[in-house]
Amino acid sequence: AQSVSQHNHHVILSEAASLELGCNYSYGGTVNLFWYVQYPGQHLQLLLKYFSGDPLVKGIKGFEAEFIKSKFSFNLRKPSVQWSDTAEYFCAVMISGGGADGLTFGKGTHLIIQP
Amino acid sequence: GAVVSQHPSWVICKSGTSVKIECRSLDFQATTMFWYRQFPKQSLMLMATSNEGSKATYEQGVEKDKFLINHASLTLSTLTVTSAHPEDSSFYICSANGGGSETQYFGPGTRLLVL
Repeated sequence: AQSVSQHNHHVILSEAASLELGCNYSYGGTVNLFWYVQYPGQHLQLLLKYFSGDPLVKGIKGFEAEFIKSKFSFNLRKPSVQWSDTAEYFCAVMISGGGADGLTFGKGTHLIIQP
Repeated sequence: GAVVSQHPSWVICKSGTSVKIECRSLDFQATTMFWYRQFPKQSLMLMATSNEGSKATYEQGVEKDKFLINHASLTLSTLTVTSAHPEDSSFYICSANGGGSETQYFGPGTRLLVL
């Protein structure tokens, strides 16, 4: 079975700082990768996803992620964070072609941006 | 587009009673719907996968007789927690995908408190 590891459980940054949240997965085959964000009191929203093609994917709100197959990683980045980016971030993986399969989530990273 | 709703958003019930949670895809037909459970400060754990008109597939360790899932139409799935106990208190979240997409869209969740 696949698993997802997010390295940082809590991250505190100042506004305008650069962000990188780590995500590694374990699965020997082809996967689809996702980053979801959960703002306080709101439901999960899709930030970006990778299915195939260019390993550098751009999502909403200035976020991007890079899939490095050799490292089984899909790190999330943003060059300059804003106070409104305070939220919980979840990395998730699904076996490619497994549209009927659920997602396996990492434990999440709680990001706090200080004004 | 791709909006998923859940009802109710929160529910408090007495131990031993049953609680039904609805999940609806509002603007698309959901081929598959998923039910997740999220404990405080933890990640989402997949409970079961349901396809319209067929029996749900439960993850290992999830009691199918306790968590009844009915996917009656392409826009509605229900989760019934039968004979609820305090340890069933949690945040239940559904998601749905459809139209050949492998991207899951999440509902806002239902917070269940069993007294």
